[in-house]
Amino acid sequence: GIQVEQSPPDLILQEGANSTLRCNFSDSVNNLQWFHQNPWGQLINLFYIPSGTKQNGRLSATTVATERYSLLYISSSQTTDSGVYFCASEAAGNKLTFGGGTRVLVKP
Amino acid sequence: GAGVSQSPSNKVTEKGKDVELRCDPISGHTALYWYRQRLGQGLEFLIYFQGNSAPDKSGLPSDRFSAERTGESVSTLTIQRTQQEDSAVYLCASTSWGGRAEAFFGQGTRLTVV
Repeated sequence: GIQVEQSPPDLILQEGANSTLRCNFSDSVNNLQWFHQNPWGQLINLFYIPSGTKQNGRLSATTVATERYSLLYISSSQTTDSGVYFCASEAAGNKLTFGGGTRVLVKP
Repeated sequence: GAGVSQSPSNKVTEKGKDVELRCDPISGHTALYWYRQRLGQGLEFLIYFQGNSAPDKSGLPSDRFSAERTGESVSTLTIQRTQQEDSAVYLCASTSWGGRAEAFFGQGTRLTVV
Protein backbone atom coordinates (compact mmCIF):
# COMPACT_ATOMS: atom_id res chain seq x y z
CA GLY A 1 0.00 0.00 0.00
CA ILE A 2 0.82 3.66 -0.13
CA GLN A 3 3.37 5.09 2.33
CA VAL A 4 2.84 8.54 3.82
CA GLU A 5 5.60 10.42 5.64
CA GLN A 6 5.33 13.76 7.40
CA SER A 7 8.01 16.18 8.49
CA PRO A 8 9.05 17.58 10.82
CA PRO A 9 7.71 15.33 13.59
CA ASP A 10 7.71 18.21 16.06
CA LEU A 11 7.59 21.98 15.65
CA ILE A 12 7.78 24.70 18.28
CA LEU A 13 6.79 28.18 17.14
CA GLN A 14 6.60 31.60 18.68
CA GLU A 15 3.19 33.19 18.24
CA GLY A 16 3.15 35.16 15.00
CA ALA A 17 5.70 32.98 13.20
CA ASN A 18 5.12 31.24 9.88
CA SER A 19 5.76 27.57 9.22
CA THR A 20 5.62 24.86 6.56
CA LEU A 21 4.66 21.24 7.15
CA ARG A 22 5.44 18.60 4.55
CA CYS A 23 3.73 15.37 3.51
CA ASN A 24 5.37 12.92 1.10
CA PHE A 25 3.50 9.99 -0.41
CA SER A 26 4.82 7.01 -2.29
CA ASP A 27 2.30 6.63 -5.13
CA SER A 28 -0.13 8.55 -7.30
CA VAL A 29 -3.12 9.54 -5.20
CA ASN A 30 -6.82 10.20 -5.70
CA ASN A 31 -7.23 11.87 -2.36
CA LEU A 32 -5.04 14.04 -0.13
CA GLN A 33 -6.38 15.59 3.04
CA TRP A 34 -4.95 17.66 5.88
CA PHE A 35 -6.43 17.42 9.36
CA HIS A 36 -5.81 19.22 12.63
CA GLN A 37 -6.25 17.21 15.79
CA ASN A 38 -7.01 19.61 18.58
CA PRO A 39 -6.01 19.07 22.23
CA TRP A 40 -9.40 17.42 22.86
CA GLY A 41 -8.67 14.79 20.21
CA GLN A 42 -11.14 15.94 17.58
CA LEU A 43 -9.95 15.66 13.98
CA ILE A 44 -10.85 18.82 12.10
CA ASN A 45 -10.82 18.85 8.31
CA LEU A 46 -8.51 21.53 6.96
CA PHE A 47 -8.15 20.80 3.26
CA TYR A 48 -9.19 18.23 0.69
CA ILE A 49 -6.48 18.81 -1.89
CA PRO A 50 -5.47 15.99 -4.27
CA SER A 51 -3.80 18.64 -6.44
CA GLY A 52 -3.35 22.39 -6.71
CA THR A 53 -3.46 25.12 -4.09
CA LYS A 54 -6.13 26.19 -1.63
CA GLN A 55 -6.29 28.86 1.04
CA ASN A 56 -8.47 29.24 4.09
CA GLY A 57 -7.65 32.25 6.23
CA ARG A 58 -4.14 31.92 7.66
CA LEU A 59 -3.78 28.39 6.35
CA SER A 60 -2.99 27.31 2.83
CA ALA A 61 -2.01 24.04 1.19
CA THR A 62 -0.37 22.97 -2.03
CA THR A 63 -0.22 19.49 -3.49
CA VAL A 64 2.16 18.68 -6.35
CA ALA A 65 0.78 15.31 -7.34
CA THR A 66 3.41 14.63 -10.01
CA GLU A 67 6.16 14.99 -7.41
CA ARG A 68 4.20 13.21 -4.68
CA TYR A 69 4.18 15.79 -1.95
CA SER A 70 1.90 18.27 -0.23
CA LEU A 71 2.72 21.30 1.89
CA LEU A 72 0.66 22.98 4.60
CA TYR A 73 1.49 26.60 5.38
CA ILE A 74 0.58 28.25 8.64
CA SER A 75 1.01 32.01 8.66
CA SER A 76 0.96 34.33 11.69
CA SER A 77 0.58 31.34 13.99
CA GLN A 78 -1.65 31.55 17.07
CA THR A 79 -1.73 29.45 20.22
CA THR A 80 -4.97 27.89 18.98
CA ASP A 81 -2.98 26.39 16.09
CA SER A 82 -1.30 24.01 18.55
CA GLY A 83 -2.06 20.33 18.13
CA VAL A 84 -1.17 17.58 15.72
CA TYR A 85 -1.44 17.98 11.96
CA PHE A 86 -2.05 14.85 9.93
CA CYS A 87 -2.06 14.31 6.21
CA ALA A 88 -3.80 11.31 4.70
CA SER A 89 -3.85 9.98 1.17
CA GLU A 90 -5.58 7.28 -0.81
CA ALA A 91 -4.36 5.66 -3.99
CA ALA A 92 -6.73 3.90 -6.37
CA GLY A 93 -8.14 0.78 -4.79
CA ASN A 94 -6.46 1.41 -1.45
CA LYS A 95 -7.55 2.63 1.93
CA LEU A 96 -7.02 6.14 3.30
CA THR A 97 -3.56 6.07 4.88
CA PHE A 98 -2.29 8.54 7.46
CA GLY A 99 1.14 9.95 8.02
CA GLY A 100 2.65 9.97 11.50
CA GLY A 101 1.68 13.59 12.12
CA THR A 102 3.49 16.83 12.99
CA ARG A 103 3.06 17.95 16.58
CA VAL A 104 2.91 21.75 16.70
CA LEU A 105 3.25 23.88 19.81
CA VAL A 106 2.73 27.62 19.47
CA LYS A 107 4.06 29.57 22.43
CA PRO A 108 2.57 32.94 23.44
CA GLY B 1 -27.27 13.14 10.33
CA ALA B 2 -25.19 16.30 10.26
CA GLY B 3 -21.94 14.57 11.15
CA VAL B 4 -20.39 11.25 12.12
CA SER B 5 -21.63 10.17 15.53
CA GLN B 6 -19.90 7.66 17.79
CA SER B 7 -21.11 6.08 21.00
CA PRO B 8 -20.30 5.77 23.76
CA SER B 9 -17.91 8.71 24.15
CA ASN B 10 -16.11 6.92 26.94
CA LYS B 11 -16.08 3.29 28.00
CA VAL B 12 -14.31 1.73 30.96
CA THR B 13 -14.35 -2.04 31.00
CA GLU B 14 -12.73 -4.83 32.95
CA LYS B 15 -10.08 -6.96 31.32
CA GLY B 16 -11.65 -9.99 29.69
CA LYS B 17 -15.03 -8.38 28.99
CA ASP B 18 -16.44 -7.80 25.51
CA VAL B 19 -17.24 -4.28 24.27
CA GLU B 20 -19.22 -2.88 21.34
CA LEU B 21 -18.51 0.52 19.84
CA ARG B 22 -20.98 2.19 17.51
CA CYS B 23 -20.56 4.53 14.56
CA ASP B 24 -23.34 6.38 12.73
CA PRO B 25 -21.91 7.73 9.46
CA ILE B 26 -23.05 10.79 7.54
CA SER B 27 -26.22 9.93 5.65
CA GLY B 28 -25.46 8.84 2.09
CA HIS B 29 -21.79 8.13 2.69
CA THR B 30 -20.91 4.81 1.12
CA ALA B 31 -17.56 4.23 2.82
CA LEU B 32 -16.73 3.84 6.50
CA TYR B 33 -13.38 3.47 8.29
CA TRP B 34 -12.36 2.46 11.81
CA TYR B 35 -9.01 3.62 13.21
CA ARG B 36 -7.33 3.17 16.57
CA GLN B 37 -5.22 5.88 18.20
CA ARG B 38 -3.14 5.07 21.24
CA LEU B 39 -2.09 7.90 23.54
CA GLY B 40 0.36 10.21 21.79
CA GLN B 41 0.46 8.06 18.66
CA GLY B 42 -0.82 8.30 15.11
CA LEU B 43 -3.89 6.73 13.54
CA GLU B 44 -3.76 2.96 13.04
CA PHE B 45 -6.09 1.60 10.33
CA LEU B 46 -8.39 -1.20 11.45
CA ILE B 47 -11.09 -1.88 8.85
CA TYR B 48 -12.72 -0.28 5.79
CA PHE B 49 -16.26 -0.80 4.43
CA GLN B 50 -17.20 0.38 0.92
CA GLY B 51 -20.80 -0.12 -0.13
CA ASN B 52 -21.62 -3.79 -0.64
CA SER B 53 -18.01 -4.82 -1.34
CA ALA B 54 -16.18 -7.17 0.98
CA PRO B 55 -14.61 -5.12 3.78
CA ASP B 56 -10.85 -4.60 3.98
CA LYS B 57 -10.04 -6.20 7.34
CA SER B 58 -6.28 -6.08 6.90
CA GLY B 59 -5.73 -3.78 9.88
CA LEU B 60 -7.54 -5.78 12.53
CA PRO B 61 -4.84 -6.66 15.08
CA SER B 62 -6.25 -10.01 16.19
CA ASP B 63 -9.27 -12.28 15.89
CA ARG B 64 -10.65 -10.64 19.04
CA PHE B 65 -11.56 -7.67 16.85
CA SER B 66 -14.49 -7.72 14.44
CA ALA B 67 -16.74 -5.17 12.78
CA GLU B 68 -20.03 -5.17 10.97
CA ARG B 69 -21.90 -2.74 8.80
CA THR B 70 -25.37 -3.21 7.37
CA GLY B 71 -25.65 -1.54 3.97
CA GLU B 72 -24.60 2.09 4.20
CA SER B 73 -25.74 2.60 7.77
CA VAL B 74 -24.49 2.01 11.27
CA SER B 75 -21.31 0.08 11.99
CA THR B 76 -20.31 -1.68 15.18
CA LEU B 77 -16.78 -2.57 16.22
CA THR B 78 -16.62 -5.45 18.70
CA ILE B 79 -13.62 -6.29 20.84
CA GLN B 80 -13.85 -9.63 22.63
CA ARG B 81 -11.94 -10.55 25.78
CA THR B 82 -10.48 -7.08 26.10
CA GLN B 83 -6.85 -6.63 27.11
CA GLN B 84 -5.13 -3.62 28.63
CA GLU B 85 -3.31 -2.96 25.34
CA ASP B 86 -6.72 -2.37 23.72
CA SER B 87 -6.98 0.89 25.66
CA ALA B 88 -7.09 3.66 23.05
CA VAL B 89 -9.37 6.07 21.26
CA TYR B 90 -11.33 4.36 18.48
CA LEU B 91 -12.18 6.73 15.64
CA CYS B 92 -14.69 6.28 12.86
CA ALA B 93 -14.76 8.18 9.56
CA SER B 94 -17.12 8.18 6.61
CA THR B 95 -16.76 9.38 3.03
CA SER B 96 -18.81 9.54 -0.12
CA TRP B 97 -17.64 7.89 -3.35
CA GLY B 98 -15.50 5.37 -1.46
CA GLY B 99 -12.32 7.35 -0.95
CA ARG B 100 -12.50 9.81 -3.83
CA ALA B 101 -13.98 12.47 -1.62
CA GLU B 102 -13.48 14.08 1.75
CA ALA B 103 -13.44 11.92 4.89
CA PHE B 104 -15.09 13.18 8.07
CA PHE B 105 -14.41 11.86 11.56
CA GLY B 106 -16.55 11.29 14.61
CA GLN B 107 -15.44 12.43 18.03
CA GLY B 108 -14.15 8.97 18.94
CA THR B 109 -14.74 6.48 21.73
CA ARG B 110 -12.14 6.48 24.49
CA LEU B 111 -11.79 2.87 25.70
CA THR B 112 -10.05 2.13 28.97
CA VAL B 113 -9.46 -1.48 29.99
CA VAL B 114 -8.72 -1.90 33.69
